[in-house]
Amino acid sequence: EVQLVESGGGLIQPGRSLRLSCEASGFTFDDYAMHWVRQAPGKGLEWVSGISWNSGNIDYADSVKGRFTISRDNAKNSLYLQMNSLRAEDMALYYCAKTNGTNGGYFHYWGQGTLVTVSS
Amino acid sequence: QLVLTQSPSASASLGASVKLTCTLSSGHSSYAIAWHQQHPQKGPRFLMKVNSDGSHTRGDGIPDRFSGSSSGAERYLTISSLQSGDEADYYCQTWGTGIRVFGGGTKLTVL
Repeated sequence: EVQLVESGGGLIQPGRSLRLSCEASGFTFDDYAMHWVRQAPGKGLEWVSGISWNSGNIDYADSVKGRFTISRDNAKNSLYLQMNSLRAEDMALYYCAKTNGTNGGYFHYWGQGTLVTVSS
Repeated sequence: QLVLTQSPSASASLGASVKLTCTLSSGHSSYAIAWHQQHPQKGPRFLMKVNSDGSHTRGDGIPDRFSGSSSGAERYLTISSLQSGDEADYYCQTWGTGIRVFGGGTKLTVL
């Protein structure tokens, strides 16, 4: 059974940094691209960032480019999102998502999310 | 620019069928999309991939009450024999080089 468990969320002041983690199990982690997707309170889904199976291909939404860094550790079956210079508009539930392939286009499995609250 | 457009809301009666629409932006009518379902306070769930020719591939455990189809730049999700548990938000999603895009979502109410 595919499982994706996010952690690392919490209350953080604007301008500070936070690192999210996603622990994966139930599949061969290094066979799949992985992504982060967020959802602000009461809003729709917004793609944040994605990383290919071997970290050779990394993409970011314009809204986070230059502030967020995605990475993965295939030996630990883990995905990370380093978030710097956090803003109020970054406040959201952050989901980890497994794609359908090594550089997959769509999200095949989702975690339950970790909540990031940005407030002074 | 790659954009997906969905109606904000839809409704249908228990036991009936409903067809949700996702429209691809101009110049992107050949793109495949994915449909995701999200119940309140839950993470999304992948339902299916829908190709431009209307063929579709359901996710694990998704019943055949859920089906997909296409016409031009429109991609559809049809849910038949509606159940109360189908009341949820439905998002379409597509992808291009270096980008993933979501539609704004459709809130489905089962009457």
